[in-house]
Amino acid sequence: ELKVEQNPLFLSMQEGKNYTIYCNYSTTSDRLYWYRQDPGKSLESLFVLLSNGAVKQEGRLMASLDTKARLSTLHITAAVHDLSATYFCAVGRTSGSRLTFGEGTQLTVNP
Amino acid sequence: DTGVSQDPRHKITKRGQNVTFRCDPISEHNRLYWYRQTLGQGPEFLTYFQNEAQLEKSRLLSDRFSAERPKGSFSTLEIQRTEQGDSAMYLCASSQQRQGGGNTIYFGEGSWLTVV
Repeated sequence: ELKVEQNPLFLSMQEGKNYTIYCNYSTTSDRLYWYRQDPGKSLESLFVLLSNGAVKQEGRLMASLDTKARLSTLHITAAVHDLSATYFCAVGRTSGSRLTFGEGTQLTVNP
Repeated sequence: DTGVSQDPRHKITKRGQNVTFRCDPISEHNRLYWYRQTLGQGPEFLTYFQNEAQLEKSRLLSDRFSAERPKGSFSTLEIQRTEQGDSAMYLCASSQQRQGGGNTIYFGEGSWLTVV
């Protein structure tokens, strides 16, 4: 059974600081997704990572994938309050089928 | 393109009643997924369709749950004889399968169910 673990689960950081969220998964995967969720809202797609060494960046967020270590990271650069949300990683094993989500990392960026 | 649309957005029902949720995927998307999310947890996979064929179901999908996608467009998720444990947000998502994978999966706003 595929298991996905994120850490930390809760992250409180100051504006302007950098931090990294980690996503470990237990079995071979060919796809890894990062989503953002605001309270009471649905999930917004951030990144799709498909291959070992893949790196994608959008604004202050950068995601990477190491399939050998079964690890993905979401790096936050110079955090701003608008980034406060819950971030989920999700792992898929075959194209188009189910995703297994981590528990989520609740990020709070304080002024 | 209006995104994935779900209806109703909120439903309060008494235990034992049946409820049905509808999902309209992004047009031309051939894959449609249902997930369930409870507070403080990540979404859990329930089932998915490719066109009108239901290709995979989770063990979470008990015999009280049924999903259909009769014409390969919209989908319905019905829960019969609801229980308090069914209270959750039911998320629908869709994607367009393409070679090489990497298809972005787009989620709807969700349907909140409260069973009292």
